[in-house]
Amino acid sequence: DQQVKQNSPSLSVQEGRISILNCDYTNSMFDYFLWYKKYPAEGPTFLISISSIKDKNEDGRFTVFLNKSAKHLSLHIVPSQPGDSAVYFCAASSSGTYKYIFGTGTRLKVLA
Amino acid sequence: DADVTQTPRNRITKTGKRIMLECSQTKGHDRMYWYRQDPGLGLQLIYYSFDVKDINKGEISDGYSVSRQAQAKFSLSLESAIPNQTALYFCATSDVDSEKQYFGPGTRLTVT
Repeated sequence: DQQVKQNSPSLSVQEGRISILNCDYTNSMFDYFLWYKKYPAEGPTFLISISSIKDKNEDGRFTVFLNKSAKHLSLHIVPSQPGDSAVYFCAASSSGTYKYIFGTGTRLKVLA
Repeated sequence: DADVTQTPRNRITKTGKRIMLECSQTKGHDRMYWYRQDPGLGLQLIYYSFDVKDINKGEISDGYSVSRQAQAKFSLSLESAIPNQTALYFCATSDVDSEKQYFGPGTRLTVT
């Protein structure tokens, strides 16, 4: 039973355009969400997070949106750059547990 | 120097052999985690430890054991390796009261 789902295994976007990566979850106890980026032969690195008390969090070119009623979050990258090409994982947890359920990842390719 | 290191980076072993994967960190974090990544399945939690005397099973602990030798060291053992344990293994750390995790570069394990 996949509690965190990333239904798009891959996404291609032109440089300079917006990349939108989606993530859905089923467990209503999840109240903290994170995005990680992973390059080949490296471990995932933290990108951005959001608590369920917010519906948006922004950090430079990266914005995460949370729709609690739909149990859906999305990561927007604007403008997309070739260096953003990587696999992106979303992860969810219940506050205070410090245990994370990861999605299956979306491979983003930004075309120059 | 990397904050979270894993040894070995690559390992090929035979079915039935015992193998240990090691993780060391210089971040001074109390919390340490072991994950495995299989194609199409994202990262799954094997074991986690919130301090030296605290060890907890994750989603997929069967066939694995761990040892927290010190705050900085967390080892994962496969007592009798089997082919379906072929995967990419990641160690991660996090600070107290922080949701953000720092990952090592991964160990690619192949069981033949």
